[in-house]
Amino acid sequence: EPEVTQTPSHQVTQMGQEVILRCVPISNHLYFYWYRQILGQKVEFLVSFYNNEISEKSEIFDDQFSVERPDGSNFTLKIRSTKLEDSAMYFCASSPRRGDYGYTFGSGTRLTVV
Amino acid sequence: AQKVTQAQTEISVVEKEDVTLDCVYETRDTTYYLFWYKQPPSGELVFLIRRNSFDEQNEISGRYSWNFQKSTSSFNFTITASQVVDSAVYFCALSEVTSGTYKYIFGTGTRLKVLA
Repeated sequence: EPEVTQTPSHQVTQMGQEVILRCVPISNHLYFYWYRQILGQKVEFLVSFYNNEISEKSEIFDDQFSVERPDGSNFTLKIRSTKLEDSAMYFCASSPRRGDYGYTFGSGTRLTVV
Repeated sequence: AQKVTQAQTEISVVEKEDVTLDCVYETRDTTYYLFWYKQPPSGELVFLIRRNSFDEQNEISGRYSWNFQKSTSSFNFTITASQVVDSAVYFCALSEVTSGTYKYIFGTGTRLKVLA
């Protein structure tokens, strides 16, 4: 069964450093998403991406965050200057089309900011 | 405003007991999807079910069953004859269609502990 692949599974970074979280969505999917889950809390929507542009973003997704699909296969989330409160599990997801709600989530990247 | 409420923070049951996890949602949309996900200790989100707002039929899949009632805005999940491997955090989620919002709104989750 096709999977959404996220790398790395765990990343530790120093406060103030830039970090890039990588995702390879399922190849024929067109809609891409990032979600965040602070430890012990609920999963929260960050951003959706379609046709090489952001289609929706949450209040959490401020100027320190950016997304990119650099090469047609990868989908990245960049955090420019990490803060302690950015420590969370980040999930990537993809969907084949807008009317289909069969998201496939990746297994997540646990980001720890020290 | 869209909202998903999982009032049960944590439930503990003894193996082989039945357990029901509650989910109540709020939406102004007439067309929406509801989901349940399982999050085991390893952290990934495991898809369990998707239900659209026009389909109120209850569903059974093995030991799992779901009861969708639009009249009470609830989408409850029952595990029959629970097993230790069912121990996890379970999330209910809502996705609106009519408003053009395709994001998922998750509840706060219910941690299920099944004791041997």
